[in-house]
Amino acid sequence: KAGVTQTPRYLIKTRGQQVTLSCSPISGHRSVSWYQQTPGQGLQFLFEYFSETQRNKGNFPGRFSGRQFSNSRSEMNVSTLELGDSALYLCASSPDLGAGELFFGEGSRLTVL
Amino acid sequence: AQSVTQPDIHITVSEGASLELRCNYSYGATPYLFWYVQSPGQGLQLLLKYFSGDTLVQGIKGFEAEFKRSQSSFNLRKPSVHWSDAAEYFCAVGMDTGRRALTFGSGTRLQVQP
Repeated sequence: KAGVTQTPRYLIKTRGQQVTLSCSPISGHRSVSWYQQTPGQGLQFLFEYFSETQRNKGNFPGRFSGRQFSNSRSEMNVSTLELGDSALYLCASSPDLGAGELFFGEGSRLTVL
Repeated sequence: AQSVTQPDIHITVSEGASLELRCNYSYGATPYLFWYVQSPGQGLQLLLKYFSGDTLVQGIKGFEAEFKRSQSSFNLRKPSVHWSDAAEYFCAVGMDTGRRALTFGSGTRLQVQP
């Protein structure tokens, strides 16, 4: 079974631009979560989607948004990029809501210049 | 709010030596506890998890962890470390509700000496 796929793996943007990252969960998984990983703040929860609905949101500004499609694929968008948005963005999927393990993708590394 | 503390930022062990990585959590109810490993440039891979039951849990790659409620700890152990174990290890805690957000510790980077 294929794992969680994230695209693109690497990208470089400049301040003020916007970026969209994509995540394809494991087949059959309906929950997708996003995390930001930086050297200074570590791993921080962004949001979680299940059945196309945002179920949980972390403490990030409104510039960070996401959505989930009917096939469970998810995208996250960051608008008006700032230098501090440089990070590894990790997507994780799980079969459904509730307690359970998360299956992580390899991440999208965003560099903002 | 829940929190996770990994007091050791960096640990170096010799190949073949035993390993223990510390994790302390703060959470009011019964926690769901996880250990993940991350190799450079990679995502996170689950090593093991604790939800309930036996407090000593076995994971992949020969790792085990013990949940000690009285100490609010969930330390990761391995009896004999291999060079391929060099990576960053993250402890995480989740809530026993429908919410899936995990709170991660700051990680422990493991270096293995030949």
